[in-house]
Amino acid sequence: DVKVTQSSRYLVKRTGEKVFLECVQDMDHENMFWYRQDPGLGLRLIYFSYDVKMKEKGDIPEGYSVSREKKERFSLILESASTNQTSMYLCASEADSYEQYFGPGTRLTVT
Amino acid sequence: AQSVSQHNHHVILSEAASLELGCNYSYGGTVNLFWYVQYPGQHLQLLLKYFSGDPLVKGIKGFEAEFIKSKFSFNLRKPSVQWSDTAEYFCAVTLTGTASKLTFGTGTRLQVTL
Repeated sequence: DVKVTQSSRYLVKRTGEKVFLECVQDMDHENMFWYRQDPGLGLRLIYFSYDVKMKEKGDIPEGYSVSREKKERFSLILESASTNQTSMYLCASEADSYEQYFGPGTRLTVT
Repeated sequence: AQSVSQHNHHVILSEAASLELGCNYSYGGTVNLFWYVQYPGQHLQLLLKYFSGDPLVKGIKGFEAEFIKSKFSFNLRKPSVQWSDTAEYFCAVTLTGTASKLTFGTGTRLQVTL
């Protein structure tokens, strides 16, 4: 059974703080993704990674960066958090069948 | 730019009613199509997918979807909904060959009443 875990379910940060969101998958998947989910906007792709140290921008990468030092771990970094980054963040990893497996999400509030 | 439209934002149905949720996409090439579901408090999970072949695909929990290429549509259907189908449903599309980069619709919240 595929498992994608995210480091926090809820997080509250102040404007300007550096924020790290961690994601770990246990199925040796090559591809991993970070999305944000906002009401009325669905899921939007921030970044994805198709191999260790490889990354590619998604549709809304501004204000974010990522790190993938190990295959199982994909981190999303908010360099300087802003209130418009308050959102639900979802991590996913992708099987060879192209099915994406999602983590439980991190609800980030930036005050 | 490619986009996915789900015109039904919130649907309320009684148990045993039939369901059809619309999904239209605007892509120029060959596509792969997905429906994902998010039950309250649960992870987003795959309901069904279409890559090629029979345009009528069956998924889990009695759901099915039909790919109509001429209409750029991939509507989700279920003949008789249950209270446990209450969830948010997302259509997603990607171009063949770029299967990783999904574009999601805005989602449809389905509420099934007893």
